[in-house]
Amino acid sequence: DAGVTQSPTHLIKTRGQQVTLRCSPKSGHDTVSWYQQALGQGPQFIFQYYEEEERQRGNFPDRFSGHQFPNYSSELNVNALLLGDSALYLCASSLTGLNTEAFFGQGTRLTVV
Amino acid sequence: AQSVTQPDIHITVSEGASLELRCNYSYGATPYLFWYVQSPGQGLQLLLKYFSGDTLVQGIKGFEAEFKRSQSSFNLRKPSVHWSDAAEYFCAVGAVDNFNKFYFGSGTKLNVKP
Repeated sequence: DAGVTQSPTHLIKTRGQQVTLRCSPKSGHDTVSWYQQALGQGPQFIFQYYEEEERQRGNFPDRFSGHQFPNYSSELNVNALLLGDSALYLCASSLTGLNTEAFFGQGTRLTVV
Repeated sequence: AQSVTQPDIHITVSEGASLELRCNYSYGATPYLFWYVQSPGQGLQLLLKYFSGDTLVQGIKGFEAEFKRSQSSFNLRKPSVHWSDAAEYFCAVGAVDNFNKFYFGSGTKLNVKP
């Protein structure tokens, strides 16, 4: 089992551009959550996908959007990139329900210049 | 609103010494509490979790944590630190309406002196 895999590992983009980050969940997991971790901060919840729909959303602007595919993999899209979007983006997968463990990927380091 | 406070940004301990990392939470009901560890360039690894029951929770790598409702705390402890424990540690509380939606503290970076 490869666990949660994210791609790419690093990315450099210019302000105003758009970016897509990808996440493959751990085998058997049906729920994917995305977090943004700015330098020196704890991760902040962006949104969560289950059954191909956004189940919950954190306090992030509409520039942040996502998608979940039938195979449970997920994408995070960010439009009109700002310098402040530079961060480590973490994907976590889990099996919906109580008392289940969320597994995190290694993250995608996004730098906006 | 749910929130987590980790008052110590950096902690340095000598190898073999004991460790306690502090975590305070704000939550209206019985919380789901977690400790995660993040090594440089890595994702988050779950050390331990508390849902209910025994307030002293054992985790991996010799870590334990104690839930104290009266103090709204969930401090992480280890009796003897190893150099490989150097990392950043995050305390988190799970949302009441979504078990796998976490509110994280800002983290405590642990340095281990030889």
